[in-house]
Amino acid sequence: DAGVTQSPTHLIKTRGQQVTLRCSPKSGHDTVSWYQQALGQGPQFIFQYYEEEERQRGNFPDRFSGHQFPNYSSELNVNALLLGDSALYLCASSWRLGGSYNEQFFGPGTRLTVL
Amino acid sequence: DAKTTQPPSMDCAEGRAANLPCNHSTISGNEYVYWYRQIHSQGPQYIIHGLKNNETNEMASLIITEDRKSSTLILPHATLRDTAVYYCIVIAGNQFYFGTGTSLTVIP
Repeated sequence: DAGVTQSPTHLIKTRGQQVTLRCSPKSGHDTVSWYQQALGQGPQFIFQYYEEEERQRGNFPDRFSGHQFPNYSSELNVNALLLGDSALYLCASSWRLGGSYNEQFFGPGTRLTVL
Repeated sequence: DAKTTQPPSMDCAEGRAANLPCNHSTISGNEYVYWYRQIHSQGPQYIIHGLKNNETNEMASLIITEDRKSSTLILPHATLRDTAVYYCIVIAGNQFYFGTGTSLTVIP
């Protein structure tokens, strides 16, 4: 079991550009959540996808968007990049059993640097 | 809106028990307390979770007060590899609310 995988590992972009980050969930998981972690801070919830729909969203602007595919993998898109978007972006997967909640398994993250 | 409060840093001697406190005074009756840790620049790693009762697994023990307003994560025999940032998290709905965590340093 490969666990949660994310790509790319590192990424450098310039202000105003757009970026797409990818996540493959742990085998058997159907729910994907995305987090942003600035240096020295705890992860901040961006949004969560289940059944290919955004189910919950944190306090992030609509420059942040996502998608979930039928195989449960997910993408995070960020448009019009700002310097403040520089962070570690974490993907976490989990599964729902009858609507209950189970612990999230985190990937290694993608380090995004905006210049 | 972290929902939890933790001391920013703690030290522990190698081989001794590490006791990491967390306050979650606004926790609701159906909200679980989860603990994760994060070793430098890696993804957070699940440790343990609980609702009301104390819990123990191969990594740690979780003690939750009767009023559920605070909890303590216990690493019974800390090793150098336990040096990490430890997050106490309350789940509201399906969202994890991370605070800034406790940076635990295990000292040889």
